[in-house]
Amino acid sequence: DQQVKQNSPSLSVQEGRISILNCDYTNSMFDYFLWYKKYPAEGPTFLISISSIKDKNEDGRFTVFLNKSAKHLSLHIVPSQPGDSAVYFCAASLTGNQFYFGTGTSLTVIP
Amino acid sequence: GAVVSQHPSWVICKSGTSVKIECRSLDFQATTMFWYRQFPKQSLMLMATSNEGSKATYEQGVEKDKFLINHASLTLSTLTVTSAHPEDSSFYICSGRDTNTGELFFGEGSRLTVL
Repeated sequence: DQQVKQNSPSLSVQEGRISILNCDYTNSMFDYFLWYKKYPAEGPTFLISISSIKDKNEDGRFTVFLNKSAKHLSLHIVPSQPGDSAVYFCAASLTGNQFYFGTGTSLTVIP
Repeated sequence: GAVVSQHPSWVICKSGTSVKIECRSLDFQATTMFWYRQFPKQSLMLMATSNEGSKATYEQGVEKDKFLINHASLTLSTLTVTSAHPEDSSFYICSGRDTNTGELFFGEGSRLTVL
């Protein structure tokens, strides 16, 4: 049973616009969430994280929003750049041990 | 934000050699650090929990003699893959828990390729 879901397998956005990647989870006890970016033929790169005590975390062009009541996580990239084209995975965990990953969303930023 | 640095980010070695991966918390103290392994198209798998000044706690199925973990200081944990084999090729990621805030921060990972 998938505890973390990314319902959009792909997303295309024009360069300069906002990219919004969504993630839903089922376990209300999850207390830590991550976003990873992965380019083809490379390992995942940690992007940004958020703990359940916060509802927003910002790092440069990347902002993660957490809505605990809706069990929903989103990643905003503003402005989107062609180099952001990659597969993005969200993940959730209990106490930072076992992480549950979504199936990924492939983002394409069109120049 | 807090930074966890992993080194090397990519290492290639011959079968039978040992490889050491370092995980450093650059601007916070981490009493506890975690080591993960990521298989293709799968979730991160927790390998072990490393506590400063004491022995690491290994997850079931992880060979402690093969994956040596040392957490000698509050800012450094090392993972040594001993007598590496091609099946050990993977992406290894560490995380550190800030002793003061409890927040968890991840390194960017180390890709190991064993020829």
